[in-house]
Amino acid sequence: QSALTQPASVSGSPGQSITISCTATSSDVVNYNLVSWYQQHPGKAPRLMIYEGTKRPSGVSNRFSVSKSGNTASLTISGLQAEDEADYFCCSYEAGSTFVWVFGGGTKLTVL
Amino acid sequence: EVQLVESGGGLVQPGGSLRLSCAASGLSVSSNYMSWVRQAPGKGLEWVSVIYSGGTTYYADSVRGRFTISRDSSKNTVYLRMNSLRGEDTAVYFCANINISWNTFDYWGRGTLVTVSS
Repeated sequence: QSALTQPASVSGSPGQSITISCTATSSDVVNYNLVSWYQQHPGKAPRLMIYEGTKRPSGVSNRFSVSKSGNTASLTISGLQAEDEADYFCCSYEAGSTFVWVFGGGTKLTVL
Repeated sequence: EVQLVESGGGLVQPGGSLRLSCAASGLSVSSNYMSWVRQAPGKGLEWVSVIYSGGTTYYADSVRGRFTISRDSSKNTVYLRMNSLRGEDTAVYFCANINISWNTFDYWGRGTLVTVSS
């Protein structure tokens, strides 16, 4: 079972782009087609932003995109807006002897 | 419109038990994969349990043997029975639907807070 590491915090100014990384810490390569990303505002339920590695559900802005490199998936938010300030979590689904979902520790995005 | 409404949280002593409920509308809990995810105060998300449409259940290592997920199709409700509660079980517990095609959580409830303390 992989663990996912995210930076604790990132920040950017309105209009800029930021990137949040999600790195698998085990020796096994995560299947990034099974990685999803969630946005969570304080006191609210998480909201699905990205599924199957790079796809956006209906209603999610195309300012949100994902790229992959080695053992790392990176969420990029372009044209930062004040409403983007939130916590972001990556999540991996793993099907083996058991079925589990593993979340990264989360990244606090501050819009300056 | 899909709605998931959790209830049943509260203050419980260590070693105690609690049953959480998740009432669903806009989807059938018996036709979908339903899950519980928790979030300790100021911490990240942790997957807890899932019940598949066929009835198969899975649990995180941290709760296996203490928690039981179930459902009542007639009430369109999913439950999480929590026994032998510990301080580290203190968290907001979210009910979530798993999109079967995407293997990810697409609908979430607002959560219910469970506090384990003497």
